[in-house]
Amino acid sequence: SSELTQDPAVSVALGQTVRITCQGDSLRSYYASWYQQKPGQAPVLVIYGKNNRPSGIPDRFSGSSSGNTASLTITGAQAEDEADYYCNSRDSSGNPDWVFGGGTKLTVL
Amino acid sequence: EVQLVESGGGLVKPGGSLRLSCAASGFTFSSYSMNWVRQAPGKGLEWVSSISSSSSYIYYADSVKGRFTISRDNAKNSLYLQMNSLRAEDTAVYYCAREGVDSYGYSRHAFDIWGQGTMVTVSS
Repeated sequence: SSELTQDPAVSVALGQTVRITCQGDSLRSYYASWYQQKPGQAPVLVIYGKNNRPSGIPDRFSGSSSGNTASLTITGAQAEDEADYYCNSRDSSGNPDWVFGGGTKLTVL
Repeated sequence: EVQLVESGGGLVKPGGSLRLSCAASGFTFSSYSMNWVRQAPGKGLEWVSSISSSSSYIYYADSVKGRFTISRDNAKNSLYLQMNSLRAEDTAVYYCAREGVDSYGYSRHAFDIWGQGTMVTVSS
């Protein structure tokens, strides 16, 4: 099955811009979706498709993709954005499965 | 309010069985594919299984194939996961998650609604 690779940890100064990346062969065929998870809580979808935000997600969250790499950008990071972020896509190896990245811990300094 | 509520978790011995349930409300459950996703303590998310809206298509991760069975009852707005031959490595929070669709009914290739999760601990 396919794999998605994320940096384990990223930090950003309050109010600055941060990019979280996700790499994998499946991203050549499918857009990534992105989830935010705070301690003790369920994941929340923040970006899906080419660059779509569910209702209630601030517009400082955006997504992009190029080749085998998908990116989640937070423009003007806030303290409440400190969380784990996971990318996810369909498996493109012929299996009708889903695959998650290992997650990125975002620290807002 | 769109909501998913899991139940059925608990402590079970290795080799034992457990059945998880997920009650859906606030949306037309029968129109959506549903999934189970788990998260071991301190670890990342792992997709476990999916089932299409009419139960025609069912898929499993290799790690649970042959041991877990996903099912649904659209009349009861409920999703289930029967877990047999449980192992220590199955210890995790289990989430049910809805696969989102657009206004035309096409998959958004994303899990747009998640439950709060139910903890399964496999230990002697």
